[in-house]
Amino acid sequence: EDQVTQSPEALRLQEGESSSLNCSYTVSGLRGLFWYRQDPGKGPEFLFTLYSAGEEKEKERLKATLTKKESFLHITAPKPEDSATYLCAVQANASGGSYIPTFGRGTSLIVHP
Amino acid sequence: DSGVTQTPKHLITATGQRVTLRCSPRSGDLSVYWYQQSLDQGLQFLIQYYNGEERAKGNILERFSAQQFPDLHSELNLSSLELGDSALYFCASSVRGWLSTDTQYFGPGTRLTVL
Repeated sequence: EDQVTQSPEALRLQEGESSSLNCSYTVSGLRGLFWYRQDPGKGPEFLFTLYSAGEEKEKERLKATLTKKESFLHITAPKPEDSATYLCAVQANASGGSYIPTFGRGTSLIVHP
Repeated sequence: DSGVTQTPKHLITATGQRVTLRCSPRSGDLSVYWYQQSLDQGLQFLIQYYNGEERAKGNILERFSAQQFPDLHSELNLSSLELGDSALYFCASSVRGWLSTDTQYFGPGTRLTVL
């Protein structure tokens, strides 16, 4: 069974204090790893897709990296508006042709001004 | 804005009742997925439709059903509602999602409260 574990569960940062969120996974045959941002009461907002180990993607203050066992979401000089829950999801084995992602529980990030 | 729309935004109903949640996918997307999110369970996959046909099932209760119509919008029907069904229900869509790995784009959700 595919497993996705995100750590830490919660993270508090001061504005400008860079840090990383971790997503470790146990799957057979990774097809894609996804990062989403979710604000309270809102739908997850797509950030990145990573397909293979060594791949990196950047968007503003966020950078996602992927290894064979985990992914990191690096946040550089965060601002209060980066406060949200960050979700990681993996797509692995197909179930009858459908690649349904398995989501982690998320990391709740709060950035204090 | 992801391009996925969901109605209604909020729904308050009583135990034992039946409700219908509606989702319109992004233009051009063929797959629709339904998820339930509660505080203690995280984001749980319920069911997927691709071009009108059911393609994958997750932890969907027998009291719940869904369908995708020819115009590709989808409805999730929840019946004999219980207090524990109170949650956020999200719809997501992707270009294909069948025999391919696609990014899913989520709608804003419907918050269901069962009293």
